[in-house]
Amino acid sequence: QKEVEQNSGPLSVPEGAIASLNCTYSDRGSQSFFWYRQYSGKSPELIMFIYSNGDKEDGRFTAQLNKASQYVSLLIRDSQPSDSATYLCAVKETSYDKVIFGPGTSLSVIP
Amino acid sequence: DGGITQSPKYLFRKEGQNVTLSCEQNLNHDAMYWYRQDPGQGLRLIYYSQIVNDFQKGDIAEGYSVSREKKESFPLTVTSAQKNPTAFYLCASSTRSGALYGYTFGSGTRLTVV
Repeated sequence: QKEVEQNSGPLSVPEGAIASLNCTYSDRGSQSFFWYRQYSGKSPELIMFIYSNGDKEDGRFTAQLNKASQYVSLLIRDSQPSDSATYLCAVKETSYDKVIFGPGTSLSVIP
Repeated sequence: DGGITQSPKYLFRKEGQNVTLSCEQNLNHDAMYWYRQDPGQGLRLIYYSQIVNDFQKGDIAEGYSVSREKKESFPLTVTSAQKNPTAFYLCASSTRSGALYGYTFGSGTRLTVV
């Protein structure tokens, strides 16, 4: 059974700090990696996807991928209270056109 | 505006009753998915369909059924065989190879057994 693992949190950071969210995956052949943000009671929203080793930046968000270590992370710079949500890591399976989701990390940004 | 519409937002099911959750998209996406989310847990795949008139079981298909008669629609029926149906149900869609680019989710249906 292929797996995606995340620390469940909650992760608390002060406003303006950098929040670092981590994810590991078991399918060594995975090629596509995603970060979704889910506010309480709402559906997930795609915020980043990454395919290549290294960093990908979009505004205050940076996704980092290390395929050798089977590790993907999300950095949120200048964290705001509105960033308080659960962040889901997701990985596309090698063999099938579907995605496995991790359990999510709850982030709380303290004003 | 393009998007995915799920209805109803809240649904209450009596013991032994079948209920159907609606999912409609106007994004012209080929692939559609149903996920279940329980409190504090990630999303688990129930069924998915990559083309009209074809669908595959996901990881937790027992007690559920689907149909894909139109590209725009992918309804999910929760049957009486599903013993613990209380959960948040999410429908998603993507382009045919869109798992490469991520999913668009509907707003979800919260099902409660009464």
